[in-house]
Amino acid sequence: GAGVSQSPSNKVTEKGKDVELRCDPISGHTALYWYRQRLGQGLEFLIYFQGNSAPDKSGLPSDRFSAERTGESVSTLTIQRTQQEDSAVYLCASSLGGGQGIHEQYFGPGTRLTVT
Amino acid sequence: KNQVEQSPQSLIILEGKNCTLQCNYTVSPFSNLRWYKQDTGRGPVSLTIMTFSENTKSNGRYTATLDADTKQSSLHITASQLSDSASYICVVSGFTNAGKSTFGDGTTLTVKP
Repeated sequence: GAGVSQSPSNKVTEKGKDVELRCDPISGHTALYWYRQRLGQGLEFLIYFQGNSAPDKSGLPSDRFSAERTGESVSTLTIQRTQQEDSAVYLCASSLGGGQGIHEQYFGPGTRLTVT
Repeated sequence: KNQVEQSPQSLIILEGKNCTLQCNYTVSPFSNLRWYKQDTGRGPVSLTIMTFSENTKSNGRYTATLDADTKQSSLHITASQLSDSASYICVVSGFTNAGKSTFGDGTTLTVKP
C-alpha cells in the first residue's frame, strides 16, 4: 500500500513569506507526527496528533509555526513570516496508534524548505 | 531532561567488515527504544523496536541489544555492504509525554569498497 507522502518535495521561499507543507499519512493511522531536521543534525519533534485528542504542540519553536489535521487524514504544517533559520527538511510520520510510541512510525520523504 | 547520546558521530569501515554503534539514554520511565536507518535525502526507516523486557532483536544483518539497567543500546552490523552507508538514529520513548520521543543525533556510517 501507499506510504506516507509529503508535498511539495522542495520549497524555496523568500524571507517573510508564509509556507504550507502537506502530509498524507498511511490510511488507518491515527497518530501523526511532524519533525524538523536541520542539515547534518538530528530530528526535532514539532507536534503530535493522536485521533481526536488535543495535539501535543510542545515542540513548536515559535508562534509562527502551526499545524492542523483533518480528522485522521491530511495534516498541514504552516510557517508564517519565514526566517532563514527555518530552512530545514520537515519530516512527517504516522503510526497505527500513539501512546508510549510503541507503534512503529513510518516516515515520509520530507519537504526540503529553503528560505532565501 | 530526557537525552539520547550516540557514538561515534561518524564511522568509516571497509565493505565486509562488522561495526557496532552505541546509544546511551536518560529517558525515564523507559518504554521502548528504536533504531532507524536514514539514507541521504530520505525519511528514516525502522530497523528494530525493543521494549523493556527485550535484550536483543535482529533484522537481517542488523542486531540491536538493550541493557535497560545501564540505559545503553547498541546496533551491530555484520558483513557490511555499500548500501549500509547511511545515518543510524537511536530513538527512545518514555511512558510519560507519550507521543514525544527523544531522538539521538545519529551516527553517520560510510562503507567503502
